[in-house]
Amino acid sequence: NAGVTQTPKFQVLKTGQSMTLQCAQDMNHEYMSWYRQDPGMGLRLIHYSVGAGITDQGEVPNGYNVSRSTTEDFPLRLLSAAPSQTSVYFCASSYQAVFSTDTQYFGPGTRLTVL
Amino acid sequence: GQQVMQIPQYQHVQEGEDFTTYCNSSTTLSNIQWYKQRPGGHPVFLIQLVKSGEVKKQKRLTFQFGEAKKNSSLHITATQTTDVGTYFCAGRYGNKLVFGAGTILRVKS
Repeated sequence: NAGVTQTPKFQVLKTGQSMTLQCAQDMNHEYMSWYRQDPGMGLRLIHYSVGAGITDQGEVPNGYNVSRSTTEDFPLRLLSAAPSQTSVYFCASSYQAVFSTDTQYFGPGTRLTVL
Repeated sequence: GQQVMQIPQYQHVQEGEDFTTYCNSSTTLSNIQWYKQRPGGHPVFLIQLVKSGEVKKQKRLTFQFGEAKKNSSLHITATQTTDVGTYFCAGRYGNKLVFGAGTILRVKS
């Protein structure tokens, strides 16, 4: 199993550009999520999905869109990049389980800089 | 909204000293999880606590979940240089997993 993969690893954008961060998992996990990590602020939830065709907003959804057309893929789209979106982005997946262990498996991250 | 507060933000200890980080939520959690992130790496799952008052141990690490399921702690006994990194708690509120800001642990040898 490759686990959770993310592409690209690094990206530099200019203000106003759009792009898609890719995330894929091969563990047949129902639950997938996107986090951004900024110094001193931990991991903040952007969007999440409990299964194909179902997405919902997290703590900081503004400026980002997601879709979940398949169980494996959960891309994150930046509509019009802003310097405030400079961050490290992590994708995570898990089995959908509230009362049993729902270990989040994280991808390696994408380091995004918006100039 | 749901928030998980984690303290301290930073801790620098001498090798062999103990270390504790604390998490607190204003509302009851379904469960709480702990993760470790090494510098430059991604978060890696350590443990999940589900029951009120639960205590779990992993070698030198002890995890506790409060009776009201609103707070939790991670205690490391006799720290080693391999313990360096950032430790995060993450509280589950329904379908959302909300992370604390993390505690950065540095160990002097």
